[in-house]
This record gives sequence, structure tokens and C-alpha cells, in this order.
Amino acid sequence: DSGVTQTPKHLITATGQRVTLRCSPRSGDLSVYWYQQSLDQGLQFLIHYYNGEERAKGNILERFSAQQFPDLHSELNLSSLELGDSALYFCASSVATTSGYEQFFGPGTRLTVL
Amino acid sequence: TQLLKQSPQFLSIQEGENLTVYCNSSSVFSSLQWYRQEPGEGPVLLVTVVTGGEVKKLKRLTFQFGDARKDSSLHITAAQTGDTGLYLCAGINSGNTPLVFGKGTRLSVIA
Repeated sequence: DSGVTQTPKHLITATGQRVTLRCSPRSGDLSVYWYQQSLDQGLQFLIHYYNGEERAKGNILERFSAQQFPDLHSELNLSSLELGDSALYFCASSVATTSGYEQFFGPGTRLTVL
Repeated sequence: TQLLKQSPQFLSIQEGENLTVYCNSSSVFSSLQWYRQEPGEGPVLLVTVVTGGEVKKLKRLTFQFGDARKDSSLHITAAQTGDTGLYLCAGINSGNTPLVFGKGTRLSVIA
């Protein structure tokens, strides 16, 4: 158990719909990263928040948005869903170590768009 | 765009065999990490290599970072069925920044 929690575990929805994925980082970790994992693209970085502020954006579509709340949990909102958005969505929180930063990944949310 | 290429993409071996998987990039990273991911779970960090030429051992797993900090390898000695999983390498540019992942090597160890 990494200490990072994600809900829901599975989500099945239809094209055109909107969903919200939730992530709670490990206690004390201020960073939350969101990644998307698909069979053909692998794990791709979407967005990074640190202590409530957006720090970096990756390959995140305009239909997707995220925020990090004062209690440090984060939500990833996916709208106007398309079949190609079906994927595993992971969040990770990070902590500084002697080797640099280590990211701890949650169990993921499997999104299926029908 | 920084890319990490992992090879082979798939590997199926008998229990007890040795294997090596590779992670190559045209870019220099400040450090590189190896993760293992099992079905239905998130990636779990195995090791971080920071210095060019560095070798780290984790029981039967040996990780090496290339001298130029562009490539890395993972060698498993006497593979066990419990080693089955997706092995991912990830490059780090500096500090608390997003990971750049390879697509992974899917290893299957057969009893």
C-alpha cells in the first residue's frame, strides 16, 4: 500500500459524458501528479500540482482539467468523453529522498468509455 | 521531446533463467528510476540511479546507469515466477518534476 488513494477504482460511462476522478496523496506530501496509461502510449504525464498550485502541464487535453484543494486532495475532471479516453488514470505524490524525489503511485482508476 | 525506449517489449522465459532489459534515450537525465507494475496496481519504485556508471543491486536484480546518463539496464538473475510484471524505466530531469516513462517491458516467467 503506497498510501495514495484513488476513487473510484473502475468507472464505466458513455461518450460525451463528464467524470471526476479523485486522489488523496500520502499524509504530508504536497505534490500530486496525474498520469494516463494506455496500451499504445504507455504512462503519460498529464499535470502536476504542488500545495494547491499548478506546477506543470504535460499532454493534457483541453477537455481535461484538474485542481488541488486546501486539504491537498486532487480531482481530475474529464469532459466530453471520447472512446480514446479509455485508459488507466494514476495519481502520485512525491517526497524528497537522498536519491532525489520518489513518487508513490495510487492504485489507479480504470475508465471505460462506451 | 524526450523519449525513453525500452527493449524488448515482451519477454517470456523459464524460471531460473537470466535476463536483461534495456532503457535507452537520446537525452541526458539527471537520474533514472525503474518501476515494476502488476495488473490492477500502480507502479512501484524499485531503484533510483543517479551517477553515470552507477551499479545498484537489489537481491537478484542488478541495475546499471550508463556513463553518459542516457541509458540503463536491468538484469535479473535466476528469474522466479514472482518477477512477472511490467518493468518501466522513468527519467527525471531535475528536482520535483514529472517522470518521463518508457513503454515498459512485459516480463513473463514460466514455471
